[in-house]
Amino acid sequence: ILNVEQSPQSLHVQEGDSTNFTCSFPSSNFYALHWYRWETAKSPEALFVMTLNGDEKKKGRISATLNTKEGYSYLYIKGSQPEDSATYLCAYITGKLIFGQGTTLQVKP
Amino acid sequence: DAMVIQNPRYQVTQFGKPVTLSCSQTLNHNVMYWYQQKSSQAPKLLFHYYDKDFNNEADTPDNFQSRRPNTSFCFLDIRSPGLGDAAMYLCATRWAGEGETQYFGPGTRLLVL
Repeated sequence: ILNVEQSPQSLHVQEGDSTNFTCSFPSSNFYALHWYRWETAKSPEALFVMTLNGDEKKKGRISATLNTKEGYSYLYIKGSQPEDSATYLCAYITGKLIFGQGTTLQVKP
Repeated sequence: DAMVIQNPRYQVTQFGKPVTLSCSQTLNHNVMYWYQQKSSQAPKLLFHYYDKDFNNEADTPDNFQSRRPNTSFCFLDIRSPGLGDAAMYLCATRWAGEGETQYFGPGTRLLVL
């Protein structure tokens, strides 16, 4: 059974704080990893597609790194804003998406 | 805007009373998925359609069925909902051959009384 784990499960930070969270996945036969952001009452939307070991992707204040040899990806948010409040899901690709349980981020103004 | 739409957003049903959730898409994607997400758990794939071909996950209960009458619409039927079927149900689409990124609807939250 493929296991994708995310930590922490939830996170509360103050506006302006930088934060990061982790997605762990099987390191063998890696194909790709996706990060999705899911805001309350909205649709999950794709943030990043990570494919190569050492990949670093960036979108504004959010960035992600990938280590396929050790089986983890980090998502970083620099200078968190209230609009960053959401659940962040990672999904390991193996013919289908295997999701982690998500990290729910709450940014307090 | 092209999108994935799910109706209703909230659905309340009674124990054992059949319920249907719907999903429509304007993306013209050939693959459509249904996921179940229970509280604080990972979204779990129930089944998907590749065009008209139905693909069931091995551990999806028989209580869950799906129909895809055309490219745009896909339905999730729960024949006899139990209390354990209360969850968020997400629909997603993808164009096979254009990467693995899936496009999600906002979900339907099902409550079983």
